[in-house]
Amino acid sequence: EVQVLESGGGLVQRGGSLRLSCAASGFTFSSYAMNWVRQAPGKGLEWVSVISGSGGSTYYADSVKGRFTISRDNSKNTLSLQMNSLRAEDTAVYFCAKVGQWGRYFDLWGRGTLVTVSS
Amino acid sequence: DIQMTQSPSTLSASVGDRVTITCRASQSISSWLAWYQQKPGKAPNLLIYRASSLESGVPSRFSGSGSGTEFTLTISSLQPDDFATYYCQQYDSDLYTFGQGTKLEIK
Repeated sequence: EVQVLESGGGLVQRGGSLRLSCAASGFTFSSYAMNWVRQAPGKGLEWVSVISGSGGSTYYADSVKGRFTISRDNSKNTLSLQMNSLRAEDTAVYFCAKVGQWGRYFDLWGRGTLVTVSS
Repeated sequence: DIQMTQSPSTLSASVGDRVTITCRASQSISSWLAWYQQKPGKAPNLLIYRASSLESGVPSRFSGSGSGTEFTLTISSLQPDDFATYYCQQYDSDLYTFGQGTKLEIK
């Protein structure tokens, strides 16, 4: 079955760190760029970061640049997001999303993992 | 960064209605636009990519159009399962952005 499954969310204090993971299966993981997208409670979708299939290229939203680091391990079909210096406004459900066959839209999403930053 | 603006923010409609949601980009994005449907507590689901290409498995009552800076998502005849929130997303630049969402409610 083609799927991605996030893990690693939880409660963390402001200024703390957390590492999210996304396990992929059912497709050739290394062939696709992967993304993190988040959604704060009751709010809309916010793109966070993207990493190319090889891992050689990464981009970040301005809101997380310098604090978050995206990475991938193609040997383990795993995507990660290291989140440092967490702020209350980082509280959200974090989704892992695969890009499509024909462009950089997102055709496969995980269920998400909730990150709560307490102040 | 490219800003995406959806209208309306909320739309009330009835089963069987034809509805249209608009998405405007702050600069030209060619046809690099996708539409998603999201239901409460669930992940978004891709409906349309490249402005007008229907994702496999998505009902044909959904259609997309537009290019440049103005785009529309049309549902030809609303079904009960269609009441949800809809988002547009541009992927022209390396920094992707979503619209703020349109909540489609039952009238």
